[in-house]
Amino acid sequence: AAGVIQSPRHLIKEKRETATLKCYPIPRHDTVYWYQQGPGQDPQFLISFYEKMQSDKGSIPDRFSAQQFSDYHSELNMSSLELGDSALYFCASTWTGRGTEAFFGQGTRLTVV
Amino acid sequence: DQQVKQNSPSLSVQEGRISILNCDYTNSMFDYFLWYKKYPAEGPTFLISISSIKDKNEDGRFTVFLNKSAKHLSLHIVPSQPGDSAVYFCAASVGGATNKLIFGTGTLLAVQP
Repeated sequence: AAGVIQSPRHLIKEKRETATLKCYPIPRHDTVYWYQQGPGQDPQFLISFYEKMQSDKGSIPDRFSAQQFSDYHSELNMSSLELGDSALYFCASTWTGRGTEAFFGQGTRLTVV
Repeated sequence: DQQVKQNSPSLSVQEGRISILNCDYTNSMFDYFLWYKKYPAEGPTFLISISSIKDKNEDGRFTVFLNKSAKHLSLHIVPSQPGDSAVYFCAASVGGATNKLIFGTGTLLAVQP
């Protein structure tokens, strides 16, 4: 079965650069979530989209923005990167109409140097 | 403020025995609870969930128990297998499975052959 696809798997950026992370949800899933997991930390909710509209917002820095496109894929844009942004970024998707649990992608490991 | 807590960072169990992972929460608005399993370099994998209207849910070797009065849930794995060795995250949400998840800090389970 198709899973949540994230790209790239690994990304190395320098401070003050920008990064774009992509997420392709499971087919038919209408909701996408982004989570950030720092070293030794639990995943923290950043932002979610339902039917291409932002549905909830967590502890996402103003330097970050995200959107969900017409094909339901989502992109997380991160600007003015800081060392503290180094983390695993997970995307998850659900089918809100069916009330399914969230399925996660394999994550993007972002390293800011 | 950690709303979902897993007080045991690690647990070691012999193969064939029962593994019991515990989770406590503080937010009485949580009405849906989930357990995810995570291997290194992979995203969390959904294991089992329970709604607050239930006190037990069973799926094969996995059983989740919910004690609402104590704001406590536990995951029982019987019998434990070496392949169960992973980090287990407890997560909770308000408004059902498709809303944002608040994660615990995780418990590393090691099942010894």
